[in-house]
Amino acid sequence: QVQLVQSGADVKKPGASVKVSCKASGYTFTGYYMHWVRQAPGQGLEWMGWINPNSGDTNYAQEFQGRVTMTRDMSISTAYMELSSLRSDDTAVYYCARGDGSYSPDWGQGTLVAVSS
Amino acid sequence: DIQMTQSPSSLSASVGDRVTITCRASQSISSYLNWYQQKPGKAPKLLIYAASSLQNGVPSRFSGSGSGTDFTLTISSLQPEDFATYYCQQSYSTPQTFGQGTKLEIK
Repeated sequence: QVQLVQSGADVKKPGASVKVSCKASGYTFTGYYMHWVRQAPGQGLEWMGWINPNSGDTNYAQEFQGRVTMTRDMSISTAYMELSSLRSDDTAVYYCARGDGSYSPDWGQGTLVAVSS
Repeated sequence: DIQMTQSPSSLSASVGDRVTITCRASQSISSYLNWYQQKPGKAPKLLIYAASSLQNGVPSRFSGSGSGTDFTLTISSLQPEDFATYYCQQSYSTPQTFGQGTKLEIK
């Protein structure tokens, strides 16, 4: 069965960077896009972008352009999302989600990133 | 960006009720509309994709309809485990966008 296992919670200071990992298993990692979605406390879902694990191509939401970098390591079937210049309003749970065509049937468990001085 | 507007934002209903949640897109998105259910502290769960296709393993009391700009999610007979927050999502163009969510509570 498909599993997406994310790295653990992290606390960062404003201005720092965070890198969240998402290890995939149960399917061909390079065959499906990986999306990243975040959710601030008590708020809705916000799409951040996707990476094509096969080619490394990325597509980022304009809001995150210049601050987000999505990468992958095909040898260990892991996708990464790095967000820099962190602000307090970046405090959120970050999810990876496997893209199957135009929808995402499988999600990671989420990673809480707290930004606090 | 395509704006997705859900209504209502919250809804109180009883077990056994029929419930409908609507989602409107700011421009036509054909049938590129997905519905997710989220429970507190959990990741979203895909219920419906492509506006009306039921995801494997999802009970048949859930159904979706619509195309273009107007979509609905219907739960034919609410069960206790259905009380959660529901989100629509358009995947017609990037950035993919979500509705603000509909919180379904027990009456």
